[in-house]
Amino acid sequence: DVKVTQSSRYLVKRTGEKVFLECVQDMDHENMFWYRQDPGLGLRLIYFSYDVKMKEKGDIPEGYSVSREKKERFSLILESASTNQTSMYLCASSSNRARTDTEAFFGQGTRLTVV
Amino acid sequence: AQKITQTQPGMFVQEKEAVTLDCTYDTSDQSYGLFWYKQPSSGEMIFLIYQGSYDEQNATEGRYSLNFQKARKSANLVISASQLGDSAMYFCAMREGLASGSARQLTFGSGTQLTVLP
Repeated sequence: DVKVTQSSRYLVKRTGEKVFLECVQDMDHENMFWYRQDPGLGLRLIYFSYDVKMKEKGDIPEGYSVSREKKERFSLILESASTNQTSMYLCASSSNRARTDTEAFFGQGTRLTVV
Repeated sequence: AQKITQTQPGMFVQEKEAVTLDCTYDTSDQSYGLFWYKQPSSGEMIFLIYQGSYDEQNATEGRYSLNFQKARKSANLVISASQLGDSAMYFCAMREGLASGSARQLTFGSGTQLTVLP
């Protein structure tokens, strides 16, 4: 059974705190992604990674950074949390195998509230 | 420009009837994939169906089918015989650059909230 696990389901942090959201996948996938989901806006890509230590900015990278030191783990870092980063954060992973119908598998999401 | 457009924020359908959820996309790539995901109130993202840009036939998975019109750049999801458990948010998504072997990021639309009425 494939699995993408996010470290927390709910998180409350104070403005200015450094926040770490962790994501682990057990499928040996090359690609990992961080999205944030807000009502009416769908899922917006923050960062993605196609290999260990490799990262690419998505559509809304400002205020975020990422780390991928091991293939199975992809961390999202909020350097100094702000209230406008209150959102649902979704991690996903996918494979680069030859078949093209490789959907992304998602974690259960982390609902982050910054107060 | 929006890469994925879902113009229906909310839809209602009577139980046992069919419903179509609209999705249009924008890409200059020749090789791309289109996906539909379901997100129930519990929050998990459930993969429903996939259509490749070179697939000649419309994809089907049980009660789900994808009405793919390449020239119009539309990829509408059709759910037949709606059930109460189909009530959820539905997202259309696209993966570009399949031929280039890039990281294959997935771009999502804003979603359609479907409510099935008893």
